[in-house]
Amino acid sequence: GQQLNQSPQSMFIQEGEDVSMNCTSSSIFNTWLWYKQEPGEGPVLLIALYKAGELTSNGRLTAQFGITRKDSFLNISASIPSDVGIYFCAGPLLTSGSARQLTFGSGTQLTVLP
Amino acid sequence: DGGITQSPKYLFRKEGQNVTLSCEQNLNHDAMYWYRQDPGQGLRLIYYSQIVNDFQKGDIAEGYSVSREKKESFPLTVTSAQKNPTAFYLCASSARQGRYEQYFGPGTRLTVT
Repeated sequence: GQQLNQSPQSMFIQEGEDVSMNCTSSSIFNTWLWYKQEPGEGPVLLIALYKAGELTSNGRLTAQFGITRKDSFLNISASIPSDVGIYFCAGPLLTSGSARQLTFGSGTQLTVLP
Repeated sequence: DGGITQSPKYLFRKEGQNVTLSCEQNLNHDAMYWYRQDPGQGLRLIYYSQIVNDFQKGDIAEGYSVSREKKESFPLTVTSAQKNPTAFYLCASSARQGRYEQYFGPGTRLTVT
C-alpha cells in the first residue's frame, strides 16, 4: 500500500546542530506535506511540496520533493530548543479518489539538548 | 483569524458513557476529518466528510459516530462500543479541490476510566 516510512524514529541533538530526516515510500506521491506537532497540540503545517525536485524553505527549515517522487527530506538548520516536537510527513492517498485522504508517516521525535 | 477549534481540551468520562467532541472551523473548508492519536503513534483516520450531510468511515470507525449538519461543524461521538476510547483526538479540515493541505485543531484529550 501507500505507506510512508519515516526515519529516524527519534533524534537527540545539541542546540545549534543541523537536523535531517526523511520519508520514503514504495509508491509515487504527487504531494509531500511536512507537519510539526508539539506536545499536547495539533500538528502544524510547515511546508508543502508539489513538484518533483522542488526545494522549499520556511525560515530555518528546508524540504525537498525527491526526483523519484517516492521520497522527501526535511532539514532544520541551527536547531534551537523550540524545535522540539514530532515531525510528520504526509501525502495524499491516490486510492482515495476525490476523498482527499492523507497517509501519515509515523513521525520523527526531535529532542534538542542545551 | 480563521482556524479550527476543538473543545474541550481535556475530557474525562466513566466507562459506558457516550461522549461528544466538538470541532468547528471558519476556514470555509468543505472537507473535515477526525483522527485518533495514541502515545508514540501516528494519526489514524476515524471519519471524514467531504460535504454537508455526507460522511465516510475511515480506517478505525468502529465505536464512533459523526454528523455533518453544517459546513462549519463536524462533531464526533465516542460511544460505549469503543473498546479503548482513551486517546488524543484531532480534527482537521481541507479544501475539497485543489491542494491537499489539511489544517488541524488543537486536539481533545479524552480519558475514560
